[in-house]
Amino acid sequence: SQTIHQWPATLVQPVGSPLSLECTVEGTSNPNLYWYRQAAGRGLQLLFYSVGIGQISSEVPQNLSASRPQDRQFILSSKKLLLSDSGFYLCAWRGAGGRGELFFGEGSRLTVL
Amino acid sequence: AQSVSQHNHHVILSEAASLELGCNYSYGGTVNLFWYVQYPGQHLQLLLKYFSGDPLVKGIKGFEAEFIKSKFSFNLRKPSVQWSDTAEYFCAVLPGGSARQLTFGSGTQLTVLP
Repeated sequence: SQTIHQWPATLVQPVGSPLSLECTVEGTSNPNLYWYRQAAGRGLQLLFYSVGIGQISSEVPQNLSASRPQDRQFILSSKKLLLSDSGFYLCAWRGAGGRGELFFGEGSRLTVL
Repeated sequence: AQSVSQHNHHVILSEAASLELGCNYSYGGTVNLFWYVQYPGQHLQLLLKYFSGDPLVKGIKGFEAEFIKSKFSFNLRKPSVQWSDTAEYFCAVLPGGSARQLTFGSGTQLTVLP
């Protein structure tokens, strides 16, 4: 069966520090991968998605970037965090033939101080 | 661009009450529709989905949703809620075509009082 893992689950970082959140998917190949940010009362905002290695699409211009160095690995990064980057970040993958159905990871809570 | 509206931001019910959460979308073509649920401290899970066919879709834990194309709606229902249904519920829409991305509503927090 397929699984998705994110880490770290919780992260507290000072303003101006770098960020790296990792997401890996097991049990499937060539998945579509997604990074969302969840803010209270605002639902889920799609940040990045990837349909293959090295292929990244950005939905919202911001202080963040994404990379896909391997087929089942998706990384969310920042060189210098801002206070506004605080939030709950979710990685997701699309099931093969699932016609759009997404499966989500456990999420990573980022607090920027 | 398509949008998804969940007008109820917070719903509070007593156990055994009936539930209906509204979801409306703006897209004129074929859509796939989803309801996700996020229980406290857990990850988002798929509750049910509609692709085609019978517009009344049954999901897990006694939930169902009805797709009304003329109203661009996909409301979630449950005849009798339980305390364990306390969670945040998200409606999501995928316009026809697998290359498109899911658009989520802002979510509805359901609190069920014992």
